[in-house]
Amino acid sequence: NAGVTQTPKFRILKIGQSMTLQCAQDMNHNYMYWYRQDPGMGLKLIYYSVGAGITDKGEVPNGYNVSRSTTEDFPLRLELAAPSQTSVYFCASRHPGSAQETQYFGPGTRLLVL
Amino acid sequence: GENVEQHPSTLSVQEGDSAVIKCTYSDSASNYFPWYKQELGKGPQLIIDIRSNVGEKKDQRIAVTLNKTAKHFSLHITETQPEDSAVYFCAATLSGGSYIPTFGRGTSLIVHP
Repeated sequence: NAGVTQTPKFRILKIGQSMTLQCAQDMNHNYMYWYRQDPGMGLKLIYYSVGAGITDKGEVPNGYNVSRSTTEDFPLRLELAAPSQTSVYFCASRHPGSAQETQYFGPGTRLLVL
Repeated sequence: GENVEQHPSTLSVQEGDSAVIKCTYSDSASNYFPWYKQELGKGPQLIIDIRSNVGEKKDQRIAVTLNKTAKHFSLHITETQPEDSAVYFCAATLSGGSYIPTFGRGTSLIVHP
């Protein structure tokens, strides 16, 4: 299994541009998450999904959108990039149920907005 | 909602020493406490976890303790090695359901050879 994969690894955007961060997992996990990580601030939840067709906002959803059309994919969309969205973005997935709590994280996408 | 405080933000030790990272949580309903290790340029990876019905859990050089009354839990690493150098995150959550853990801000552990 490849686990959780993310593309691209690094991207520079100009203010106002848009882009989609891709996330895919091959573990048949129902639950998927998007986090952003800023220096010294830990992981902040942007959006999450408990299954295909179901998404919900996390702690910091403003400026982002998500969709979940399949179990495998959970893309994150930035419509109008702003410098405040400069961050490292992590996607994670998890099997539902309390028996397997582990979140599996992807390698991250580093985004710079100038 | 849940609030997790993590200390220290940076910890520097000599190889072979022990390292302790402490976290406190605010929501008494939280019953699952994972610890993640993040190496440079990589995503976080679970290293150990503990549930509220257990006071301590060990896995080789790593141990976690939980004090439910005081609402704090700690990560203990013994006989530290340079490859233990990384950022460590604690988290707290209610097991099951949509599972939305709250993460601490992270501790950068530096092990000097």
